[in-house]
Amino acid sequence: AQSVTQPDIHITVSEGASLELRCNYSYGATPYLFWYVQSPGQGLQLLLKYFSGDTLVQGIKGFEAEFKRSQSSFNLRKPSVHWSDAAEYFCAVGAHAAGNKLTFGGGTRVLVKP
Amino acid sequence: EPEVTQTPSHQVTQMGQEVILRCVPISNHLYFYWYRQILGQKVEFLVSFYNNEISEKSEIFDDQFSVERPDGSNFTLKIRSTKLEDSAMYFCASRPSPLSPNEQFFGPGTRLTVL
Repeated sequence: AQSVTQPDIHITVSEGASLELRCNYSYGATPYLFWYVQSPGQGLQLLLKYFSGDTLVQGIKGFEAEFKRSQSSFNLRKPSVHWSDAAEYFCAVGAHAAGNKLTFGGGTRVLVKP
Repeated sequence: EPEVTQTPSHQVTQMGQEVILRCVPISNHLYFYWYRQILGQKVEFLVSFYNNEISEKSEIFDDQFSVERPDGSNFTLKIRSTKLEDSAMYFCASRPSPLSPNEQFFGPGTRLTVL
């Protein structure tokens, strides 16, 4: 069964500082990996995705993530955080199988200090 | 850019009442999903639907839940007799086809409040 762990429930970062959110997954084969962002009361916006190929993927809003198979990780990074990045971030894993569900991690809430 | 839409954005109902949550997936997509997110918790898979039948469902998706594609554009989730614990945000998602990479496009959600 697939699973996702986001070890950090909350992270507080100063505006302009770098941000890294951790994601560890469990899946028997090469997974599809996703990062979504959710602002309070809002839906899920896809930041980036990994399907295959280059293990460093670029997303929207200046985010990037690196797939490390040996560590079963897909950490999200941003070099310089903006106040508007305050939100909840969810990592998700899916399978190559047709119709497979996405399994989400518990989320990391990011607070940005001025 | 095509997007998934959901109505209503917020639904308030009394315990024991039936509710129908509506979704319009992206027009050429063939695979549809419902997920829910209880306040403060993670997003959980409920059900997937393809070719007019349920493809997979979670243990949450019991006999109180049903899904339907009543016409060529809508995809609905019905809860027959709502419970307090059904209060959550419900997200609809769609995907182009079984052959496409498993990228699902999410709607904005319907917040269901059961009193």
